[in-house]
Amino acid sequence: DGGITQSPKYLFRKEGQNVTLSCEQNLNHDAMYWYRQDPGQGLRLIYYSQIVNDFQKGDIAEGYSVSREKKESFPLTVTSAQKNPTAFYLCASTKDRDSQETQYFGPGTRLLVL
Amino acid sequence: AQSVTQLDSQVPVFEEAPVELRCNYSSSVSVYLFWYVQYPNQGLQLLLKYLSGSTLVKSINGFEAEFNKSQTSFHLRKPSVHISDTAEYFCAVSGTGFQKLVFGTGTRLLVSP
Repeated sequence: DGGITQSPKYLFRKEGQNVTLSCEQNLNHDAMYWYRQDPGQGLRLIYYSQIVNDFQKGDIAEGYSVSREKKESFPLTVTSAQKNPTAFYLCASTKDRDSQETQYFGPGTRLLVL
Repeated sequence: AQSVTQLDSQVPVFEEAPVELRCNYSSSVSVYLFWYVQYPNQGLQLLLKYLSGSTLVKSINGFEAEFNKSQTSFHLRKPSVHISDTAEYFCAVSGTGFQKLVFGTGTRLLVSP
């Protein structure tokens, strides 16, 4: 089955720790996205990548980093600089860069701070 | 830049009743409009989208939305809801070409027996 997988489902972070959220897709999509979801705020774009080895900051990139070394993978690192990381993180992908394309979402990772 | 307003954070409704979830957008350019649905602790799924052509678009599970350019709205409607429609619904907008999706804050639809 084609789709997007995110792991882990739950992730706990200690103070000062960097953590990495995994996102993998086997849809052969070029573009991938990371969103953060907080209650009552909808989804906010963290980073996006239109093609391998290229990515751009979204609206709330501070405290986060990404890489796109392979077409199917777009990991997100939440660094210690992100002071309020508790949220639901969603990864998405589209076939290409055209904004009319449907975004397909993974099941999400819930990040909690210990 | 685009923006989306979903004024209703929560809409309670009885099973088999009609429902309307409101969405208004702001944009200075032509737009694409989307409704996504999110079930608890899951990712989002596309419900329907307007790209061009007929202003009334429909989903396979009975939802429909109408693009109204003069009122800058894209309200979602269903004539008779089911318990299984309980979820959070997000309206989203993008410009044409490669532009990021901008999401509204979501409306939680609560269907009770």
